[in-house]
Amino acid sequence: GAVVSQHPSRVICKSGTSVKIECRSLDFQATTMFWYRQFPKKSLMLMATSNEGSKATYEQGVEKDKFLINHASLTLSTLTVTSAHPEDSSFYICSAPLGYRSNEKLFFGSGTQLSVL
Amino acid sequence: SQQGEEDPQALSIQEGENATMNCSYKTSINNLQWYRQNSGRGLVHLILIRSNEREKHSGRLRVTLDTSKKSSSLLITASRAADTASYFCAMNYGGSQGNLIFGKGTKLSVKP
Repeated sequence: GAVVSQHPSRVICKSGTSVKIECRSLDFQATTMFWYRQFPKKSLMLMATSNEGSKATYEQGVEKDKFLINHASLTLSTLTVTSAHPEDSSFYICSAPLGYRSNEKLFFGSGTQLSVL
Repeated sequence: SQQGEEDPQALSIQEGENATMNCSYKTSINNLQWYRQNSGRGLVHLILIRSNEREKHSGRLRVTLDTSKKSSSLLITASRAADTASYFCAMNYGGSQGNLIFGKGTKLSVKP
């Protein structure tokens, strides 16, 4: 099956620093990738849709200057949390649909646990 | 909000027993999917049921869909300790996969 690789799996940083999270589709091309945020014991909340070669589409209430998304190639999307603060601490997950059946199955990365001190 | 509701929030059973999780949603869907998440990990797609389907099977999984009640259930038969995880329903309301709305999840614990 298709594989989505997400790195790092865990990051601890100081308040005010920026953190970059990578999401790669290893064996397929993904023109679209999705970024989610998940709080403990909660559901996934879609943050933004990453589009290869164009600007990301952000969900309402998500600060695009805070969460920078770049989708420079068909296999890589990055999420940069800029000037991180403790309230940004969360579990971030990316996903990508496979090909033409884009509304029938998502492949997820393994997630990144961000802790901001 | 289009977010689905799942119940129970948590379920604890013994190995060998069946586990049933329910999901309700609010508006018409294109399809409904179930995903599994091990603690601290990403989600894994389990099964999809389309709006014109009523029941699907995959191994020990059985999914039903009642569009009149806007609800779905996931049944795991003969559970194993390895089934311990959180299970999420996800509703596709049409369009791109970005419109996939996840339920709040059921945390299943299977005791050996």
